[in-house]
Amino acid sequence: NAGVMQNPRHLVRRRGQEARLRCSPMKGHSHVYWYRQLPEEGLKFMVYLQKENIIDESGMPKERFSAEFPKEGPSILRIQQVVRGDSAAYFCASSRDTPNYGYTFGSGTRLTVV
Amino acid sequence: EDQVTQSPEALRLQEGESSSLNCSYTVSGLRGLFWYRQDPGKGPEFLFTLYSAGEEKEKERLKATLTKKESFLHITAPKPEDSATYLCAVPPTDQKLVFGQGTRLTINP
Repeated sequence: NAGVMQNPRHLVRRRGQEARLRCSPMKGHSHVYWYRQLPEEGLKFMVYLQKENIIDESGMPKERFSAEFPKEGPSILRIQQVVRGDSAAYFCASSRDTPNYGYTFGSGTRLTVV
Repeated sequence: EDQVTQSPEALRLQEGESSSLNCSYTVSGLRGLFWYRQDPGKGPEFLFTLYSAGEEKEKERLKATLTKKESFLHITAPKPEDSATYLCAVPPTDQKLVFGQGTRLTINP
C-alpha cells in the first residue's frame, strides 16, 4: 500500500530551464494538492486538483507555473523558465475525499536552480 | 485572512524534560486544527485533528489540546526520537491548509 509518491526526489535545473515534478496519489485518492516550502518558511498552498480539473489555484504564481492531473497518470507541476527564487521543496498530498482531514503528504521534490 | 503563529521557533530539551508547543490561530470559522510532524528531508506526517474547544487527543508522549484561540502540543518525557519540526495548520476552506512556521524541537539524550 504505497503512499504518495513523488519524483524525482532531487532536481537541479539551470536558470531558464523547465522543471517537471510528478506526484502519484495514494491508491483510491482522487484529490491532489501541491504545497511549496521555501527555505526558512512554512508550507504554502499552491493548487488543488481533481482528475482533469483544477479546483483551486489561488496559491499558484500567475506566471511560469502550471499544474495538471490527467485522467491517467500522475499529477504534474510544471515550472517554466526557472529562476533562483523557485528553489524550494515541493510537496504533494492526496486525499480520498475533500480533506476530512489530515491528508497524506509525499516526501517532496527538492528543486535547486543554479 | 486566516493566520497561524507557532511558538517558540525552536526548543531544546533534555530527554525526559516535558514541555509544550503553542499554536495561535485566527480564522473566520474553525473547521479544525491539524498537527503534523516533519522530519528533515521528509514530508509532513499527520498527527492529530482537533475540531472544537476543549477537545484533547493523545498519541504516545504527545497530547494536543484546543481552546478558542490556540492549541497546545504537550510532550511528556520526550525521547531523542521525538526530535522533529512540529507544524500546526488550519483549513480556511475544505480544500487547503494554512500552516504555521513550525517549532523545531530537539531532544538531547
